[in-house]
This record gives sequence, C-alpha cells and structure tokens, in this order.
Amino acid sequence: DTGVSQDPRHKITKRGQNVTFRCDPISEHNRLYWYRQTLGQGPEFLTYFQNEAQLEKSRLLSDRFSAERPKGSFSTLEIQRTEQGDSAMYLCASSLGAGKTEAFFGQGTRLTVV
Amino acid sequence: AQKVTQAQTEISVVEKEDVTLDCVYETRDTTYYLFWYKQPPSGELVFLIRRNSFDEQNEISGRYSWNFQKSTSSFNFTITASQVVDSAVYFCALNFNNNAGNMLTFGGGTRLMVKP
Repeated sequence: DTGVSQDPRHKITKRGQNVTFRCDPISEHNRLYWYRQTLGQGPEFLTYFQNEAQLEKSRLLSDRFSAERPKGSFSTLEIQRTEQGDSAMYLCASSLGAGKTEAFFGQGTRLTVV
Repeated sequence: AQKVTQAQTEISVVEKEDVTLDCVYETRDTTYYLFWYKQPPSGELVFLIRRNSFDEQNEISGRYSWNFQKSTSSFNFTITASQVVDSAVYFCALNFNNNAGNMLTFGGGTRLMVKP
C-alpha cells in the first residue's frame, strides 16, 4: 500500500492521559500536514512540515499538542493531559511540492477521551 | 481571513438525478487554489479536483463537472446521473499561504445521500 498510513485507527483514553499518533506519508512526499476533524465539521488545519522543519502551526495547536517529523519521513502528534474536547478525528496528509499538487489524506486516527 | 461556506448541509436525491453542491469562498489572496474532496463512510478524504484561481474554465470528468466563477466567488460541483456510490460527505476547500501548498481551509461539508 503506497498511500498515507496512520496508526492507530482508533484510540480511547482517559482524560488526563497522554496519547501519541503516528503518520507515515507517501514516501517521496516532502510536505506533511495534520488536521483535526470534529463530528459533522470540516477538517481544521493544525500544523505543517516541510521535510523535518515545522513551518506553520495553527492557534488551535495549544501547548498540550506537539508534533515532530524527526527525519523528514514519518511524523508523530502527541497530546498531553487529554481533555474531552480533544475527542476528534486526527487526519494526516502529504504532498509533493508547493501549491501545484494535491494532498493525499490518510484514514485518520479517531480519538475518544472519556 | 479565509472562509469557505457550503450552505447545503444535507442533500437527498434519487439515483440518476443530477445534483449540484454549492461552494462560496472568501479570500484576500490574488492567487489561490480551490479543491473538492469526497469523504466516504470509511473516513479517508479523496481528492477530486484542484483549480487555480487564474483558470476559470469549467471542467468535466466523467459524471462530475465543476463551475468556477470568480465574479461570485463560487466553485460549484455537479454530479450528473447520480449513483448510490456517490453517497458521501463532500468538502470544498481553499488553500492559504500558497507557498505551503496544501494548508487548507475547509467548508463544513455537504452530506449527499443517493437513494436507489
């Protein structure tokens, strides 16, 4: 499978716990994006990497959130001290080059905070 | 600030009917890209089309067609002869910070239900 892969697909956690999600982009794609989608809404941009550099962060990304892409390949998104409001689908996407190419999305990680 | 509005939250049609999904956008950028994505029940966003702001030609791809009108800031999507497999949520999106490519502002989506 050569698409964007996300792991885990589902995560249930207790409030206050830390969680980490992983995204493996399409191998030749140097740009990687994280989005969050709550039920019944469109995805909202969280952060963007070009290779290993995190170039843009949304104000939605509070200090409890951190994202990394250490070698410019896979990326992780960590949420510390989870809150019920963090319950959402977390989507990862990758693309090749600038605005001339489209982003390909993974199937997402659905987080439920209980 | 950027904004994408999809006023139709839910549309229900019978198979073989034509259906148009509306999208209106706001941006101060002179160069931008507009997108449509399909999200089936499996959850993965599937890319359908990307349109450059300088290209106002309508596009047709099989049963799908898109009407981009800069004068009204609209980028509408029509499915001709709809099929049950077209049932999904459809999102219109607009990119910001063009250098970054795919940092997108999405609309709220339109849920399309095609009944047999």
